[in-house]
Amino acid sequence: EIVMTQSPATLSVSPGERATLSCRASQSISSNLAWYQQKPGQAPRLLIFGASTRATDIPARFSGSGSGTEFTLTISSLQSEDFAVYYCQQYSDWPPITFGHGTRLDIK
Amino acid sequence: QEKLLQSGGGVVQPGRSLRLSCAASGFHFSSYTVHWLRQAPGKGLEWVAVISYDGDKKNLADSVKGRFTVSRDNAKNNLYLEMNSLRPEDTAVYYCTRDSITSSGYYEYWGQGTLVLVSS
Repeated sequence: EIVMTQSPATLSVSPGERATLSCRASQSISSNLAWYQQKPGQAPRLLIFGASTRATDIPARFSGSGSGTEFTLTISSLQSEDFAVYYCQQYSDWPPITFGHGTRLDIK
Repeated sequence: QEKLLQSGGGVVQPGRSLRLSCAASGFHFSSYTVHWLRQAPGKGLEWVAVISYDGDKKNLADSVKGRFTVSRDNAKNNLYLEMNSLRPEDTAVYYCTRDSITSSGYYEYWGQGTLVLVSS
């Protein structure tokens, strides 16, 4: 099973600033990585797939990068609606599909 | 507009059974692999089960293997998760999800989630 590790667990950033979230895979997953955003009481929303491709209707301020074992989600200028929990997920070698434990993005 | 509408769930005693349903609309259901995921209260996401577009291939997480069954009815555009011998650690919000058209394993469409609470 591929283990996904996200860091930091919590990130405090001011609105308008840049946020950088990290995700590491326990073995190479090529570019088979997705990022999701989840707000309280809601289902997760797909942001990025293929490590860097934005999903439908996702704003350009969200960008993904990386390949192999190291990945990054960058939010270029934080809006109030961006404060949420973010999960990375690998789909390179499944089942099982595996997720990181999440990064909570808080308002500073 | 693609939608997944979940039903079922609720409070159930340990050892009992429950069935979750997921009704698909707005897309050609029988062309897509679909999955179940769950999220325990305050915790992260856990993959539970997958079933291929035609129902021929199924896989379950080790944590539910032998207790849960995944099935689908393409004529009714429905996905099911039959949960038996429920345990307190099965308490979670359960989500049905649609895979990409290539069955890659990522999820653009999610059901609204349904809470299963296993408690005596």
